[in-house]
Order: sequence, then C-alpha cells, then structure tokens
Amino acid sequence: QKEVEQNSGPLSVPEGAIASLNCTYSDRVSQSFFWYRQYSGKSPELIMSIYSNGDKEDGRFTAQLNKASQYVSLLIRDSQPSDSATYLCAVRGGGGKLIFGQGTELSVKP
Amino acid sequence: GAVVSQHPSWVICKSGTSVKIECRSLDFQATTMFWYRQFPKQSLMLMATSNEGSKATYEQGVEKDKFLINHASLTLSTLTVTSAHPEDSSFYICSVEGLAGGPSLTEQFFGPGTRLTVL
Repeated sequence: QKEVEQNSGPLSVPEGAIASLNCTYSDRVSQSFFWYRQYSGKSPELIMSIYSNGDKEDGRFTAQLNKASQYVSLLIRDSQPSDSATYLCAVRGGGGKLIFGQGTELSVKP
Repeated sequence: GAVVSQHPSWVICKSGTSVKIECRSLDFQATTMFWYRQFPKQSLMLMATSNEGSKATYEQGVEKDKFLINHASLTLSTLTVTSAHPEDSSFYICSVEGLAGGPSLTEQFFGPGTRLTVL
C-alpha cells in the first residue's frame, strides 16, 4: 500500500462545476496535510494546508480532513479552465518529511 | 510564503560531465532545504535534506557521491550532479520550509525547478 494515494485521473469537469479531489494516507501519526497545484512543466505551488479535522476554506478552495478515516480532500468551487493542472496531496510523515501522492490531473472544460 | 529561486532553469549537458544547480531562499534564512526529483508523469521524490553547516541527509537509494549537496549559507544550497548520464535527466526542484503561522507548523515552498537533460 502506498503511503499517500490519489486517483490519477484525469478528472474532467465543466467550467463552473465543483471539482472534488481525494487523497488517503496510511500513517496514522500524520498531523500536517497539504495540497499543491502543479501546472505542466512548472514546480508545485502550495494552495492549501490543513492540520485539524474538519473543513478549511480559502476562496474557491475547501480542504477537508478526517483523521479517523485517514482521508483528506480538496474541493474547488466554480472551477475555471485556469484550474486545469495536476493536484498533489502531500502528508508530513512521522519523520517530518513530506510524502507526495502521485497527483490527480484535473481538466476543466469551457 | 517563502520565495525560492533556482539557477539555471534548464541545462543540457553531455554524458560524463558535472552540473551544478543553485537554490536560493530570497526572503528568509533557511537552515534546512530539500531537494526533489520528478520524472515525467510521476510525483516528487525527495532526494535529500540539506542542512546548513552540516552534511546532507540522503534518502535511501540516492547516491551521495553522485549527488553532492552543499548548504554553504542560510540562503544557498547547491546540488551537483557528478558524471551525469542520460538516466539522470529529470526535473530537479528545491524547497524551503517556512513557518505557517503557528507553533511547530511549517509549510514547504518550492523553487521553480531546473530541467536537466543529459545527452
């Protein structure tokens, strides 16, 4: 079992819809969770961090964390074509290092 | 978030040569920087943790004699790929860790990356 798992996609949504990206992790002691956006040929950009159970909202982005289920998600409301990218889920492991999922490719169709 | 630069942004070299990549933290002093490698269509893989004033900590399977890391100051870490071969062609990205507004909470911010092509 991979330490951080994401559906590779591609996930295709129409413009204006809600995109839902999911991530599960295996290390129960993990305390910090991050979502990065990576455009093709570019480096990852941090868009959300979450540390406590529940929801955290920032503009059109909402991160959801459920530590009991070892599950973290990212919702993107009113999706725009500019949101088309690969979204990487990252979890800080027990050793303090970031462990990345394989990424979910999101395509927002005009 | 932290502002991180890398130089060069891309480099092409011949097999057997060495290539140095610089990573700079522009807006704060970073005692720790990280080096990642990303192959096409794959996720980021941590290569090593660079510690200012001490030896880098390499991940399992990463050859420390091939990937030389020097963290000479609080704002500069360098990665040298020695005797590069085509299989070393990849996207190399550094990151720094900054405080996330709470005690013991940190976030990692990435540089723009360096694309290495070894012919």
